[in-house]
Formats: sequence, structure tokens, C-alpha cells
Amino acid sequence: DAGVIQSPRHEVTEMGQEVTLRCKPISGHDYLFWYRQTMMRGLELLIYFNNNVPIDDSGMPEDRFSAKMPNASFSTLKIQPSEPRDSAVYFCASIQYPGAVSDTEAFFGQGTRLTVV
Amino acid sequence: TQLLEQSPQFLSIQEGENLTVYCNSSSVFSSLQWYRQEPGEGPVLLVTVVTGGEVKKLKRLTFQFGDARKDSSLHITAAQPGDTGLYLCAGALASYDKVIFGPGTSLSVIP
Repeated sequence: DAGVIQSPRHEVTEMGQEVTLRCKPISGHDYLFWYRQTMMRGLELLIYFNNNVPIDDSGMPEDRFSAKMPNASFSTLKIQPSEPRDSAVYFCASIQYPGAVSDTEAFFGQGTRLTVV
Repeated sequence: TQLLEQSPQFLSIQEGENLTVYCNSSSVFSSLQWYRQEPGEGPVLLVTVVTGGEVKKLKRLTFQFGDARKDSSLHITAAQPGDTGLYLCAGALASYDKVIFGPGTSLSVIP
């Protein structure tokens, strides 16, 4: 398997524009996580899915953020409208069940570096 | 407020030196994991510790989980430039719970 695949690797957009980040998890993995990483706040969990169903979205900062997982092989994180403070590296990770989520290795993609100007 | 604190935040050492980085919390964790992240890449799992007092060794790396399961340490012996990276601890308050990450320790090993 090629691992978790994220696209694009880099995104530069103007404030107010809609941004869509994409993730393809490892085939057969049951959990998918979206994280955001900044120097100030480190790696923050935004939302995670189990079998395509959102389980916990308490980390989503505002209503401007939304995430979907229409099938087991694809997820999107959308920001509309984008703001400069959304600039960060966004990571997608997946985990294979069985095993406790807490004890199981999370496989991360290479991330999308988002810059909102 | 961070649930997991890591120290030091930055560490720069010479090749061959030993070092220890720490991960602390006021909460009890079901398990703790250590990840290493290189620039431009996602974190990669190094180890998971589950039992209080547990010690795991991975070549030159030694990981310890505190007896009370509130803290963990990572010790590197004879550091090499290839050890350079961001070391992140991560944990869950209960099994099958979401995993949260600490802020990380940025390690630089100078040849």
C-alpha cells in the first residue's frame, strides 16, 4: 500500500476563498483522523471518523470547518471562508481496527501545508 | 492548556552525547505513544507503552512509562545526526478514546 495520501501538498489561497483538502487512507483502515499542526499549538485533533461516521468533531475550531467521509477510501476537510489564522499543516492519519485506538499505530500522510494570505 | 507537557521544548547536542526528553501530565493515561517527525513529513510511531513502570528499548532508544501512568521519558544513548527531528508523545485517557499529542521536543544532533 502507498500509505496515507494527501493532496495537495501545498496550497496558497486568498482570505475568503474556499479550501478543500483531500485524504485517501490506507485500504482496510477503520479510523480516519484530521489533525492541524502549528508552531504555537502543536498537533491538534480536529475530527475523527470510524467506518466513515464522524465520531468526535469537538476539535473543529469553527463552523467554517467541515469534514466528510463519503466512503472508506476518501475524506475531505473544507474551510469556507478561509482566514489567515487557518494557515497550518493539516495531517490526515488512519488506523486499522482491531485494537484499541489508543494503543494502535496511527499512519500519517505527508500533510498539506496551507497558507492563507 | 496542554493536557500533555513536554520538556525541553528545544534541545541541541553534539553527536555521541546522551539525552532524555520528558512527557508529563496531571492526568492518568491508558497508554502513551512516542512519535518522531522529520521536516516535511508526518509523525511516525516509535513505541507504545501500556503498563505503568514499563520500559521498552529500541536500539539506542529507551522508553519508560511512569508507575502512575502520568508521565513518560525517552532516553537516547550516543545520539546521531539521524536522530534529529521532532519527538512527540501522545496518549489517550482511556482505551478506545481519541489520542492527543503533546507539543513536542525539537532535537538537533550536530555532527
